[in-house]
Amino acid sequence: TQLLEQSPQFLSIQEGENLTVYCNSSSVFSSLQWYRQEPGEGPVLLVTVVTGGEVKKLKRLTFQFGDARKDSSLHITAAQPGDTGLYLCVVQGAQKLVFGQGTRLTINP
Amino acid sequence: DTGVSQDPRHKITKRGQNVTFRCDPISEHNRLYWYRQTLGQGPEFLTYFQNEAQLEKSRLLSDRFSAERPKGSFSTLEIQRTEQGDSAMYLCASSSPGLPYEQYFGPGTRLTVT
Repeated sequence: TQLLEQSPQFLSIQEGENLTVYCNSSSVFSSLQWYRQEPGEGPVLLVTVVTGGEVKKLKRLTFQFGDARKDSSLHITAAQPGDTGLYLCVVQGAQKLVFGQGTRLTINP
Repeated sequence: DTGVSQDPRHKITKRGQNVTFRCDPISEHNRLYWYRQTLGQGPEFLTYFQNEAQLEKSRLLSDRFSAERPKGSFSTLEIQRTEQGDSAMYLCASSSPGLPYEQYFGPGTRLTVT
């Protein structure tokens, strides 16, 4: 059983559309991160959320931490081909990061 | 470029050979982590150093794997007697003492065992 369940696992949409991906767990976390990883590269940190209900925006990306700090969502507005990649939901275990399986997003021109 | 660097980026080896990978963390980061990522999965934790001390090792790290960080700066990960199941991306990350959960990753070393 995965600590973090990400959905959908795969998503392919057209440029300009909006999308939301989800990260869910039955555990409560003190913080949660989202990373993006492109093929052949390491993950890149996008955001850290620490407060229940917190919303952070990064250009066209909106991240929300659930009120109970068990889940999170990432919403992308007007997706562009440059948004293509593997989006990873991540929490901290004891000293180490625990990753979800990721959502592989493809934005078609 | 002052980010995390890894060398080599790609390694192809024959089963049974030994391989060694190097990671240079961000200079002011005292924590260094190794992860392994297989196709279609998120990275999985292997081991963690605080300065030169190896403080935690995953059960994934069999006795064929050894990691060192001799002077608390760069780290090496050695795999002895490689097996085909060792084929994966090996990622290194580093973090500062105050924010251990904000880890910065290198580009990874892609290992293929034939």
